[in-house]
Amino acid sequence: KQEVTQIPAALSVPEGENLVLNCSFTDSAIYNLQWFRQDPGKGLTSLLLIQSSQREQTSGRLNASLDKSSGRSTLYIAASQPGDSATYLCAVRGAQKLVFGQGTRLTINP
Amino acid sequence: DAGVTQSPTHLIKTRGQQVTLRCSPKSGHDTVSWYQQALGQGPQFIFQYYEEEERQRGNFPDRFSGHQFPNYSSELNVNALLLGDSALYLCASSLDAGRDYEQYFGPGTRLTVT
Repeated sequence: KQEVTQIPAALSVPEGENLVLNCSFTDSAIYNLQWFRQDPGKGLTSLLLIQSSQREQTSGRLNASLDKSSGRSTLYIAASQPGDSATYLCAVRGAQKLVFGQGTRLTINP
Repeated sequence: DAGVTQSPTHLIKTRGQQVTLRCSPKSGHDTVSWYQQALGQGPQFIFQYYEEEERQRGNFPDRFSGHQFPNYSSELNVNALLLGDSALYLCASSLDAGRDYEQYFGPGTRLTVT
Protein backbone atom coordinates (compact mmCIF):
# COMPACT_ATOMS: atom_id res chain seq x y z
CA LYS A 1 0.00 0.00 0.00
CA GLN A 2 1.42 3.35 -1.05
CA GLU A 3 2.00 5.84 1.75
CA VAL A 4 3.03 9.47 1.27
CA THR A 5 4.61 11.56 4.00
CA GLN A 6 5.30 15.27 4.00
CA ILE A 7 7.75 16.97 6.31
CA PRO A 8 7.45 19.41 7.96
CA ALA A 9 3.74 19.59 8.73
CA ALA A 10 4.01 23.36 9.15
CA LEU A 11 6.64 25.93 8.30
CA SER A 12 6.84 29.66 9.01
CA VAL A 13 9.57 31.77 7.40
CA PRO A 14 10.22 35.46 6.73
CA GLU A 15 9.57 36.89 3.30
CA GLY A 16 12.40 36.55 0.80
CA GLU A 17 13.79 33.24 2.05
CA ASN A 18 14.35 30.24 -0.17
CA LEU A 19 12.74 27.09 1.20
CA VAL A 20 12.38 23.38 0.58
CA LEU A 21 9.35 21.18 1.20
CA ASN A 22 9.85 17.44 1.38
CA CYS A 23 7.73 14.51 0.23
CA SER A 24 8.51 10.82 0.57
CA PHE A 25 6.66 7.76 -0.69
CA THR A 26 6.99 4.07 0.09
CA ASP A 27 6.39 2.43 -3.31
CA SER A 28 8.68 3.57 -6.14
CA ALA A 29 6.38 2.10 -8.81
CA ILE A 30 4.70 5.40 -9.64
CA TYR A 31 3.63 6.94 -12.94
CA ASN A 32 4.08 10.55 -11.89
CA LEU A 33 4.14 12.94 -8.96
CA GLN A 34 2.19 16.20 -8.64
CA TRP A 35 2.64 19.13 -6.30
CA PHE A 36 -0.51 21.08 -5.46
CA ARG A 37 -1.30 24.28 -3.62
CA GLN A 38 -4.46 24.61 -1.51
CA ASP A 39 -5.72 27.85 -0.01
CA PRO A 40 -7.97 27.56 3.09
CA GLY A 41 -11.34 25.99 2.24
CA LYS A 42 -10.54 25.90 -1.47
CA GLY A 43 -9.79 23.27 -4.11
CA LEU A 44 -6.38 22.17 -5.33
CA THR A 45 -4.26 24.07 -7.83
CA SER A 46 -1.70 21.99 -9.68
CA LEU A 47 1.77 23.53 -9.49
CA LEU A 48 4.05 20.99 -11.12
CA LEU A 49 3.82 17.46 -12.49
CA ILE A 50 6.90 15.28 -12.82
CA GLN A 51 6.68 12.17 -14.97
CA SER A 52 8.31 9.03 -13.60
CA SER A 53 11.05 9.30 -16.24
CA GLN A 54 11.93 12.89 -15.31
CA ARG A 55 14.21 14.23 -12.57
CA GLU A 56 12.83 17.75 -12.17
CA GLN A 57 10.38 20.37 -13.37
CA THR A 58 10.50 24.14 -13.08
CA SER A 59 7.82 26.82 -13.18
CA GLY A 60 8.80 30.37 -12.31
CA ARG A 61 10.11 30.44 -8.73
CA LEU A 62 9.18 26.79 -8.18
CA ASN A 63 11.38 23.78 -8.83
CA ALA A 64 10.41 20.21 -8.05
CA SER A 65 12.73 17.24 -8.11
CA LEU A 66 12.01 13.53 -8.12
CA ASP A 67 14.23 10.66 -7.02
CA LYS A 68 12.03 7.66 -7.69
CA SER A 69 14.53 5.07 -6.53
CA SER A 70 14.77 6.60 -3.06
CA GLY A 71 11.09 7.54 -2.93
CA ARG A 72 11.63 11.27 -2.48
CA SER A 73 10.59 14.56 -3.99
CA THR A 74 11.35 18.13 -3.00
CA LEU A 75 9.61 21.39 -3.86
CA TYR A 76 11.97 24.36 -3.84
CA ILE A 77 10.44 27.84 -3.58
CA ALA A 78 12.77 30.72 -4.33
CA ALA A 79 12.43 34.25 -2.91
CA SER A 80 9.26 33.47 -0.96
CA GLN A 81 6.41 36.00 -0.85
CA PRO A 82 3.43 36.41 1.51
CA GLY A 83 1.18 35.29 -1.36
CA ASP A 84 2.91 31.89 -1.23
CA SER A 85 1.22 31.20 2.11
CA ALA A 86 -0.94 28.10 1.64
CA THR A 87 -0.91 24.34 2.20
CA TYR A 88 1.27 22.42 -0.23
CA LEU A 89 0.34 18.83 -1.04
CA CYS A 90 2.26 16.22 -2.96
CA ALA A 91 0.54 13.26 -4.58
CA VAL A 92 1.85 10.20 -6.39
CA ARG A 93 -0.03 8.37 -9.08
CA GLY A 94 -0.07 4.60 -9.23
CA ALA A 95 -2.58 2.97 -11.64
CA GLN A 96 -5.60 5.27 -11.67
CA LYS A 97 -5.65 7.11 -8.37
CA LEU A 98 -3.60 9.77 -6.65
CA VAL A 99 -2.29 9.10 -3.14
CA PHE A 100 -1.75 12.30 -1.17
CA GLY A 101 0.41 13.32 1.71
CA GLN A 102 -1.12 15.32 4.54
CA GLY A 103 0.44 18.54 3.35
CA THR A 104 2.80 21.22 4.61
CA ARG A 105 1.14 24.40 5.87
CA LEU A 106 3.41 27.26 4.80
CA THR A 107 3.27 30.78 6.26
CA ILE A 108 5.41 33.55 4.79
CA ASN A 109 5.73 36.49 7.19
CA PRO A 110 6.08 40.02 5.71
CA ASP B 1 -12.19 27.35 -21.33
CA ALA B 2 -14.03 26.43 -18.15
CA GLY B 3 -12.13 24.29 -15.72
CA VAL B 4 -13.65 21.69 -13.46
CA THR B 5 -16.87 22.90 -11.86
CA GLN B 6 -18.71 21.48 -8.86
CA SER B 7 -22.10 22.13 -7.32
CA PRO B 8 -23.27 23.00 -4.80
CA THR B 9 -20.50 24.96 -3.07
CA HIS B 10 -21.77 24.25 0.42
CA LEU B 11 -24.33 21.82 1.78
CA ILE B 12 -25.74 21.12 5.23
CA LYS B 13 -27.49 17.81 5.82
CA THR B 14 -28.83 15.89 8.80
CA ARG B 15 -27.51 12.52 9.87
CA GLY B 16 -29.30 9.73 8.00
CA GLN B 17 -30.16 11.84 4.96
CA GLN B 18 -28.91 11.33 1.43
CA VAL B 19 -26.90 13.81 -0.67
CA THR B 20 -25.92 14.20 -4.34
CA LEU B 21 -22.90 16.20 -5.44
CA ARG B 22 -22.24 17.14 -9.04
CA CYS B 23 -19.14 17.65 -11.15
CA SER B 24 -18.51 18.87 -14.70
CA PRO B 25 -15.06 17.99 -16.03
CA LYS B 26 -12.67 20.27 -17.84
CA SER B 27 -13.43 20.55 -21.54
CA GLY B 28 -11.94 17.61 -23.44
CA HIS B 29 -11.55 15.39 -20.38
CA ASP B 30 -13.26 12.00 -20.17
CA THR B 31 -12.31 10.71 -16.73
CA VAL B 32 -13.64 11.87 -13.38
CA SER B 33 -12.28 11.00 -9.93
CA TRP B 34 -13.79 11.85 -6.56
CA TYR B 35 -11.84 12.52 -3.36
CA GLN B 36 -12.85 13.19 0.24
CA GLN B 37 -10.76 15.62 2.28
CA ALA B 38 -11.35 15.76 6.02
CA LEU B 39 -10.20 18.87 7.87
CA GLY B 40 -6.42 18.97 8.17
CA GLN B 41 -5.92 15.83 6.08
CA GLY B 42 -4.87 15.08 2.54
CA PRO B 43 -7.57 14.02 0.06
CA GLN B 44 -8.58 10.35 0.04
CA PHE B 45 -9.56 8.61 -3.21
CA ILE B 46 -13.21 7.52 -3.35
CA PHE B 47 -13.59 6.23 -6.93
CA GLN B 48 -12.97 6.98 -10.59
CA TYR B 49 -15.33 6.89 -13.56
CA TYR B 50 -14.39 6.34 -17.18
CA GLU B 51 -16.74 5.54 -20.05
CA GLU B 52 -19.66 5.66 -17.61
CA GLU B 53 -18.22 2.80 -15.54
CA GLU B 54 -16.58 2.78 -12.13
CA ARG B 55 -13.00 1.86 -12.93
CA GLN B 56 -11.39 1.89 -9.52
CA ARG B 57 -12.61 2.32 -5.96
CA GLY B 58 -10.91 3.36 -2.76
CA ASN B 59 -11.62 2.14 0.75
CA PHE B 60 -15.11 3.63 1.11
CA PRO B 61 -18.35 1.82 2.03
CA ASP B 62 -21.16 1.10 -0.41
CA ARG B 63 -23.03 4.13 0.95
CA PHE B 64 -20.84 6.05 -1.48
CA SER B 65 -21.93 5.57 -5.07
CA GLY B 66 -21.52 7.46 -8.27
CA HIS B 67 -22.49 7.86 -11.85
CA GLN B 68 -20.99 9.26 -15.03
CA PHE B 69 -23.16 10.59 -17.82
CA PRO B 70 -22.53 10.44 -21.61
CA ASN B 71 -21.30 14.06 -21.51
CA TYR B 72 -18.65 12.92 -18.95
CA SER B 73 -20.18 14.84 -16.04
CA SER B 74 -20.49 12.91 -12.82
CA GLU B 75 -22.46 12.62 -9.60
CA LEU B 76 -21.42 11.40 -6.18
CA ASN B 77 -24.20 10.05 -3.97
CA VAL B 78 -23.87 9.38 -0.27
CA ASN B 79 -26.66 7.57 1.57
CA ALA B 80 -27.37 7.31 5.29
CA LEU B 81 -25.10 10.22 6.13
CA LEU B 82 -22.91 10.01 9.21
CA LEU B 83 -21.31 12.84 11.14
CA GLY B 84 -17.95 11.54 9.90
CA ASP B 85 -18.96 12.21 6.30
CA SER B 86 -18.50 15.93 6.93
CA ALA B 87 -15.66 16.94 4.62
CA LEU B 88 -14.63 18.78 1.47
CA TYR B 89 -15.50 16.63 -1.55
CA LEU B 90 -13.22 17.22 -4.51
CA CYS B 91 -13.75 16.22 -8.10
CA ALA B 92 -10.82 15.84 -10.48
CA SER B 93 -10.90 15.36 -14.23
CA SER B 94 -8.30 14.05 -16.66
CA LEU B 95 -7.87 12.67 -20.14
CA ASP B 96 -7.39 8.95 -20.30
CA ALA B 97 -4.52 9.03 -22.77
CA GLY B 98 -2.02 6.73 -21.22
CA ARG B 99 -0.21 6.72 -17.93
CA ASP B 100 1.07 10.30 -17.81
CA TYR B 101 -2.17 12.25 -17.58
CA GLU B 102 -2.54 15.18 -15.19
CA GLN B 103 -5.52 15.59 -12.89
CA TYR B 104 -7.28 18.96 -12.60
CA PHE B 105 -9.33 19.66 -9.50
CA GLY B 106 -12.53 21.60 -8.97
CA PRO B 107 -13.18 24.00 -6.08
CA GLY B 108 -14.92 21.33 -4.03
CA THR B 109 -18.22 20.95 -2.19
CA ARG B 110 -18.15 21.49 1.57
CA LEU B 111 -20.56 19.01 3.17
CA THR B 112 -21.55 19.45 6.79
CA VAL B 113 -23.56 16.70 8.50
CA THR B 114 -25.32 17.67 11.73
